[in-house]
Amino acid sequence: AQKITQTQPGMFVQEKEAVTLDCTYDTSDPSYGLFWYKQPSSGEMIFLIYQGSYDQQNATEGRYSLNFQKARKSANLVISASQLGDSAMYFCAMSRPKNAGNMLTFGGGTRLMVKP
Amino acid sequence: DTGVSQNPRHKITKRGQNVTFRCDPISEHNRLYWYRQTLGQGPEFLTYFQNEAQLEKSRLLSDRFSAERPKGSFSTLEIQRTEQGDSAMYLCASSWTGSPQETQYFGPGTRLLVL
Repeated sequence: AQKITQTQPGMFVQEKEAVTLDCTYDTSDPSYGLFWYKQPSSGEMIFLIYQGSYDQQNATEGRYSLNFQKARKSANLVISASQLGDSAMYFCAMSRPKNAGNMLTFGGGTRLMVKP
Repeated sequence: DTGVSQNPRHKITKRGQNVTFRCDPISEHNRLYWYRQTLGQGPEFLTYFQNEAQLEKSRLLSDRFSAERPKGSFSTLEIQRTEQGDSAMYLCASSWTGSPQETQYFGPGTRLLVL
């Protein structure tokens, strides 16, 4: 079984500063993907960034980077230069292997609030 | 390039009524997923299709729930004899098995309220 843990229910960050959202995971699958999604109050889940379990380098997408530490089973999201529009819920998720259906297991989420 | 669409966006129904939701995936995506999200929680997997075949159902999907994807394109999720505990956001996502990371892209969701 897979499990995702997000220990920060809520986080505040000052506009233009960087913030790290924590995510730890547990799985018995040898191959998996790690994803971060943003969910604004409108409800839609917006894909941010992906890290494969065999990827050697940490993923980056614009202001988002993923700090992947496989031995610690952590996949923290770093948002640089926070903007007011970054205020939202953030979910860490892990996928099953593609040949097992690729379905996602989500953590409980972290609510990020950016202060002007 | 249109994303995943879901209809209706909101549904209010009385306990005991049947409801049906529709999901239109990204056109070239062959996998389609349904998730349920209750207030303050992350989404939970319900079921998925590869083309028209329903390949897995979660234990969350009781006998009152049925999903179809008749031609491998759009999908419907029906809930019969709704209960107040069915109140949630129902999210649909699609992906393409041909992409290396097979990212799932989500629709805007259908918010169901059972009175």
